[in-house]
Amino acid sequence: EVQLLESGGGLVQPGGSLRLSCAASGFSFSNYAMSWVRQSPGKGLEWVSAISGLNGRTHYADSVKGRFTISRDNSKNTLYLQMNSLRAEDTAIYYCVKDAITLVIMGGFDYWGQGTLVTVSS
Amino acid sequence: QSVLSQPPSASGTPGQRVTISCSGSSSNIGSNAVNWYQQLPGTAPRLLIYNNNQRPSGVPDRFSGSKSGTSASLAISGLQSDDEAEYYCAAWDDTLIVVFGGGTKLTVL
Repeated sequence: EVQLLESGGGLVQPGGSLRLSCAASGFSFSNYAMSWVRQSPGKGLEWVSAISGLNGRTHYADSVKGRFTISRDNSKNTLYLQMNSLRAEDTAIYYCVKDAITLVIMGGFDYWGQGTLVTVSS
Repeated sequence: QSVLSQPPSASGTPGQRVTISCSGSSSNIGSNAVNWYQQLPGTAPRLLIYNNNQRPSGVPDRFSGSKSGTSASLAISGLQSDDEAEYYCAAWDDTLIVVFGGGTKLTVL
């Protein structure tokens, strides 16, 4: 059974940092691209960042480029999102998601974690 | 302002067939696969359709996807009350990002 378990969310002041983690199990982690998708309260879905499976190539939404860093440890089956210089508009539920097709990023995410809430407020 | 355009709302009666549209451009829908999600209130989204028209296991065949040019559609036949949810389209964009639609709230009358 595929499981994605996020952790690391919480309340942080503007300008602060947080590191999200996502522990994956039940599939061959290194063979799949992984992404973070967020959803602000009452709003739609927003893709944040993706990382390829084997070569670790990364991609970012313009809204987070230069502030967030995605990474993965295939030996630990874990995905990370380092978030720096946080802003109020980064307040959202952050989901760890797995691409449905091996070795590519296509935006078809077949498994989602339960989400972790990040609140940026003073 | 979302890159992919969806109508904000749609509705239908039980048993009806409804379609939800998703409009993009040559850099996303025009050259890459389209995916569709269903989100029930208070829950994480669920993948309904990937790679334009493929259903993950467990998704009823009442849900179908199609694509033509820079537009795509999700069709739901035999509408049921528990289909009432928010629906999103998404696609890879050639600018190396994933883009989502703004979502369509489906109401079952």
